[in-house]
Amino acid sequence: QVQLQESGPGLVKPSETLSLTCTVSGASITTYYWNWIRQSAGKGLEWIGRVSTSGSTNYNPSLQSRLTMSRDTSKNQFSLKLTSVTAADTAVYYCARVGGAATTGLDYWGQGALVTVSS
Amino acid sequence: EIVLTQSPDFQSVTPKEKVTITCRASQSIGGNLHWYQQKPDQSPKLLIKYASQSFSGVPSRFSGSGSGTDFTLTINSLEAEDAATYYCHQSSSLPHSFGQGTKLEIK
Repeated sequence: QVQLQESGPGLVKPSETLSLTCTVSGASITTYYWNWIRQSAGKGLEWIGRVSTSGSTNYNPSLQSRLTMSRDTSKNQFSLKLTSVTAADTAVYYCARVGGAATTGLDYWGQGALVTVSS
Repeated sequence: EIVLTQSPDFQSVTPKEKVTITCRASQSIGGNLHWYQQKPDQSPKLLIKYASQSFSGVPSRFSGSGSGTDFTLTINSLEAEDAATYYCHQSSSLPHSFGQGTKLEIK
């Protein structure tokens, strides 16, 4: 059974860095692509970026200048760092697995981590 | 960036009714279009991948069709548990993107 679990601070101050980790069980992060998606309150889904099987990354251009994704294969985890956050970055952040080929759907999702940006 | 536009934004429907949700892409995405269901306070769940392939365990009343720029999610014989917001998602080109969502209310 594949499971994903987001973890990280639930409250971040404006201008600071938001850091989240997704811990994966039941699948190797070197075998699939892994995505980050966020959802602001009452809003739709926004694709943040992805980590490939090789560890390469692709980012949403709207966030690229502030965004870094990485992975730790020894822990089967991948991470997101978003710098210089503002209230607009307040959202539920999800990690999700791409279910096979790089272009297929997202078949497993974490439960989501609410991150609030506030002083 | 590819923009996905869903219609309608909201629909109020009765049980056993047939529902159709459309997703239009701003440029051709082939068949790289997926559909998700999201209930309140839950993560999205994959329903349909590659426009028409049902994901494992999804009830047969859910089906998808389309290619290029126009796609459809159909729910036959709607059930009360289908009350949710539905999203389309394209993985054809980076950055990937989602439609704005269609909220289904059951009367």
